Amino acid sequence: DAGVTQSPTHLIKTRGQQVTLRCSPKSGHDTVSWYQQALGQGPQFIFQYYEEEERQRGNFPDRFSGHQFPNYSSELNVNALLLGDSALYLCASTIQGVGTTQYFGPGTRLLVL
Amino acid sequence: AQTVTQSQPEMSVQEAETVTLSCTYDTSESDYYLFWYKQPPSRQMILVIRQEAYKQQNATENRFSVNFQKAAKSFSLKISDSQLGDAAMYFCAYRSLREYGNKLVFGAGTILRVKS
Repeated sequence: DAGVTQSPTHLIKTRGQQVTLRCSPKSGHDTVSWYQQALGQGPQFIFQYYEEEERQRGNFPDRFSGHQFPNYSSELNVNALLLGDSALYLCASTIQGVGTTQYFGPGTRLLVL
Repeated sequence: AQTVTQSQPEMSVQEAETVTLSCTYDTSESDYYLFWYKQPPSRQMILVIRQEAYKQQNATENRFSVNFQKAAKSFSLKISDSQLGDAAMYFCAYRSLREYGNKLVFGAGTILRVKS
């Protein structure tokens, strides 16, 4: 049973560029959430996708956008990259509903120069 | 908005001994979930234990147990018989049952070092 997978594992970009990160949820899961984890800090919720729609959003600017595909996989897009966007980006999947646990992927380390 | 506070940036424990990690949270809600996640250097966030707020009984998973004090809004993690593989960053997290969705609110984390 494959867990949550993310690609790429590492990425280096320069300021102003755009980046796309990808996530495949755990088998049987239909909901994907994205988190940003700055170095030495706890993850911060970016947004959640269910049924191909953004259902819940944290305090992140519109430069952060996402998409969910019919197979439940998801992308996180960040436009006009800033140095402060350098972080570990975590994807988590779950089954929509009460009482469910989120399972995390290994993350994508993004460095913005 | 809910907040989660982990007041211990770093803890150390001798192998085979017991350590307790602290977590407090702030919420006006009565129904919610609390979690402890472990993040080793490999970065993969792994669920350690989960507690439903409506349950008075403290959750236990093998060597891991919690002390859930709802009135005090405290949720500590006890690791018994500590092993070298327990060394990691530990995060306490809160999930509302009132808000739609599965958003987790995390604390800043506690680094646990295990000495042999």
